[in-house]
Amino acid sequence: QLQLQESGPRLVKPSETLSLTCTVSGGSISSSSYYWGWIRQPPGKGLEWIGSIYYSGSTYYNPSLKSRVTISVDTSKNQFSLKLSSVTAADTAVYYCARLPADILTGYPYGYFDYWGRGTLVTVSS
Amino acid sequence: DIQMTQSPSTLSASVGDRVTITCRASQSIGSWLAWYQQKPGKAPKLLIYKASSLESGVPSRFGGSGSGTEFTLTISSLQPDDFATYYCQQYNSYSQTFGQGTKLEIK
Repeated sequence: QLQLQESGPRLVKPSETLSLTCTVSGGSISSSSYYWGWIRQPPGKGLEWIGSIYYSGSTYYNPSLKSRVTISVDTSKNQFSLKLSSVTAADTAVYYCARLPADILTGYPYGYFDYWGRGTLVTVSS
Repeated sequence: DIQMTQSPSTLSASVGDRVTITCRASQSIGSWLAWYQQKPGKAPKLLIYKASSLESGVPSRFGGSGSGTEFTLTISSLQPDDFATYYCQQYNSYSQTFGQGTKLEIK
């Protein structure tokens, strides 16, 4: 059974960089059938896609966050990671990692999320 | 960016009711739409993809329809486990966006 688990600091100071890692178990992050992504949800609010990555390192980012986001993959550890720089209180949210099915013929993601981690609340505060 | 608008924002219904939630896109997205269910404190769960394809393991009382800019999620006979918040998501472009959510409450 596929499982995704987010890990990282729960409290980040304003202007610093938020760093999270998603560990995938029960499946290979190197599969050509899937992308891997990050989504966030501020308390009491809706969902916002942050970005997605393929095992090859190909990435897609939300244009509204692109200048501050870096997503990377470590296939040897079956993990992918998120870095969000220059955070403010508006970045306080539950951060989820998730899997996206991909079209193996084109190498492009379909764009929907079929497996999700449980999420981790990250608070930006001094 | 493609904007997704759900209606209603809140829906009150009873067990056994048939309910419909609507999602409208600001431009045509073909059939590239997914629906999710989220319960408090939990991650969203995929229900429907490609507008009308039922995810494996999801009960058949859930159904999706539509194309272009207007889509619906229908629950044919509400069960107690269905009271939750529902989100639509477009993935027509490489920048996916979600609707604001519809909270389904017990009447």
